[in-house]
Amino acid sequence: GAGVSQSPSNKVTEKGKDVELRCDPISGHTALYWYRQSLGQGLEFLIYFQGNSAPDKSGLPSDRFSAERTGGSVSTLTIQRTQQEDSAVYLCASSSIYRDLTDTQYFGPGTRLTVL
Amino acid sequence: AQRVTQPEKLLSVFKGAPVELKCNYSYSGSPELFWYVQYSRQRLQLLLRHISRESIKGFTADLNKGETSFHLKKPFAQEEDSAMYYCALRGSGSEKLVFGKGMKLTVNP
Repeated sequence: GAGVSQSPSNKVTEKGKDVELRCDPISGHTALYWYRQSLGQGLEFLIYFQGNSAPDKSGLPSDRFSAERTGGSVSTLTIQRTQQEDSAVYLCASSSIYRDLTDTQYFGPGTRLTVL
Repeated sequence: AQRVTQPEKLLSVFKGAPVELKCNYSYSGSPELFWYVQYSRQRLQLLLRHISRESIKGFTADLNKGETSFHLKKPFAQEEDSAMYYCALRGSGSEKLVFGKGMKLTVNP
């Protein structure tokens, strides 16, 4: 079946502009995650959604970052007033629930964000 | 605090040689450990997880709680194993993955 999809695949923006990144999880997956992959920093957790529960926002680096998940499916990560240090690949992942635990996380192809 | 350390950034071997990709972790409870792999121009994908105790593509990894390690091993590397490898940890009661910074494996012909 279709995997996790993300759009756009590449985004170039100017410093100070707002950007929106989209994630379509695997159908039926109730858990959705956002990670950031920066040069020299590896993969960093940003935010986690599970069903109708309050999201775990503990990884968001500043209040310029926010995310929504509408209807328990599609998610949008928004970065306001982008800075050059926001340049990175933003990865989305989704997983199902097995025995009350989230199962394997399946990753999307990522959105490469470049802030000029 | 949860931390995953992959001490080597690069490893280059010849085809047929054994490989060991090191991973050490810091976590006070009982973690779940994973190895993820990213082949060139492909998305990040799960290679194996310690609770499965299985061998995938000839790779194995054993969780050593005494040494807090989860090293990935393969006795005979193949050129198609060339990729970025990430070790990751999930703490009990947590849903997020904490990743190491990754290691690039190159298997030369």
